[in-house]
Amino acid sequence: AQSVTQLDSQVPVFEEAPVELRCNYSSSVSVYLFWYVQYPNQGLQLLLKYLSGSTLVKGINGFEAEFNKSQTSFHLRKPSVHISDTAEYFCAVRAGASIGYGGSQGNLIFGKGTKLSVKP
Amino acid sequence: DSGVTQTPKHLITATGQRVTLRCSPRSGDLSVYWYQQSLDQGLQFLIQYYNGEERAKGNILERFSAQQFPDLHSELNLSSLELGDSALYFCASSRERAYNEQFFGPGTRLTVL
Repeated sequence: AQSVTQLDSQVPVFEEAPVELRCNYSSSVSVYLFWYVQYPNQGLQLLLKYLSGSTLVKGINGFEAEFNKSQTSFHLRKPSVHISDTAEYFCAVRAGASIGYGGSQGNLIFGKGTKLSVKP
Repeated sequence: DSGVTQTPKHLITATGQRVTLRCSPRSGDLSVYWYQQSLDQGLQFLIQYYNGEERAKGNILERFSAQQFPDLHSELNLSSLELGDSALYFCASSRERAYNEQFFGPGTRLTVL
């Protein structure tokens, strides 16, 4: 079974400081990995995704993540955060995903979320 | 704006009642997913429909049901509501392939009193 663990429930950081939000996954098949952001009282927005290829993935708003197969990790990073980055961040793995699977299954399995709080 | 719409935005009802949540996917998306977000359980997958047919089931209670109509909009029906059903219910849609991202709607906040 696939699962996602986000190691930190809350991460406080000062503005312009770097941040890393940690995510580890468990899967016996090839994975598709995602990071979503949820701003207060809003839905989820995709930050970035890893499907295959380069292990360093760049997303929106200056975020990037690195896929590490040996450590089964997909940590999210930003070199300099802004107040506007204050939000909850969710790591997710696509269930049942496999290379070449052209079907329509594949709900997302989410971690518990990490609340990023950027202070001035 | 993700292109996924959900109505209503807020719903307040009493225990034992039945409600229907509605979702319209992005134009061209055949898959619709329903998720429940609560403080204790986090984001949990409930059910998926693809082009009108049920495709996958997650942690969905028997009191809950869903369907996808020919125009591809979907409804989630919650019955015999309990206090613990209070949560944010999200709908997401995606294209056919498993690697395609899911686009989330703004959610329906259900409060059961």
